[in-house]
Amino acid sequence: SYVLTHPPSVSVAPGKTARITCGGNNIGTKSVHWYQQKPGQAPVLVMIYDNGRPSGIPERFSGSNSGNTATLIITGVEAGDEADYYCQVWDSGCAVFGGGTKLTVL
Amino acid sequence: QLQLQESGPRLAKPSETLSLFCTVSGGSISSGSYSWGWIRQPPGKGLEWIGSIDHSGSTHYNPSLWSRVTLSVDTSKNQFSLRLSSVTAADGAIYYCAKMGGHSGSWYWDLWGQGALITVSS
Repeated sequence: SYVLTHPPSVSVAPGKTARITCGGNNIGTKSVHWYQQKPGQAPVLVMIYDNGRPSGIPERFSGSNSGNTATLIITGVEAGDEADYYCQVWDSGCAVFGGGTKLTVL
Repeated sequence: QLQLQESGPRLAKPSETLSLFCTVSGGSISSGSYSWGWIRQPPGKGLEWIGSIDHSGSTHYNPSLWSRVTLSVDTSKNQFSLRLSSVTAADGAIYYCAKMGGHSGSWYWDLWGQGALITVSS
């Protein structure tokens, strides 16, 4: 089965840029979606098709996907961005989620 | 504006069948060619896809769960449902229902219910 790998945690100071990676075999050939989940809440879709922002998601959120790594990029990080972030792809008719990265805003 | 709400018993006994329902409000479940799905999350852990059902009733299940999972849609009640048989403590999790967006082969979940915490215990 297809495996997506996240770093367990990423820390960044307010106002700086956070890069959250998602690794997978030739993930660059797949479309990657990203979700943000704050404690006690349901996930929220923040990125679609590698670098598309759903309605209501700030321009501070962007994404890239190439080779074996997809990246969610958050510029000008704010305290409210502190959350768990999950990548998601489809492989062989199955949805696959990464294990999640906890973003801590210092 | 569409909203989703999970319902059903929050406690299941080992070996029993868990049944959860997701009611769609703010629109018809059968309009817009929508597809729907269930995702679960054990406490403190990551997300796991359970299965999906499209507007025609076609289903796709996680291979690790397929023998125990059944998804269905009831248009008369504007809801879709999940049945998970032979549950064990490992099935204890928050169960989310969600609406799928995107296109074939690369869907995403753009609307989620608030989640239902399910405990499996005798």
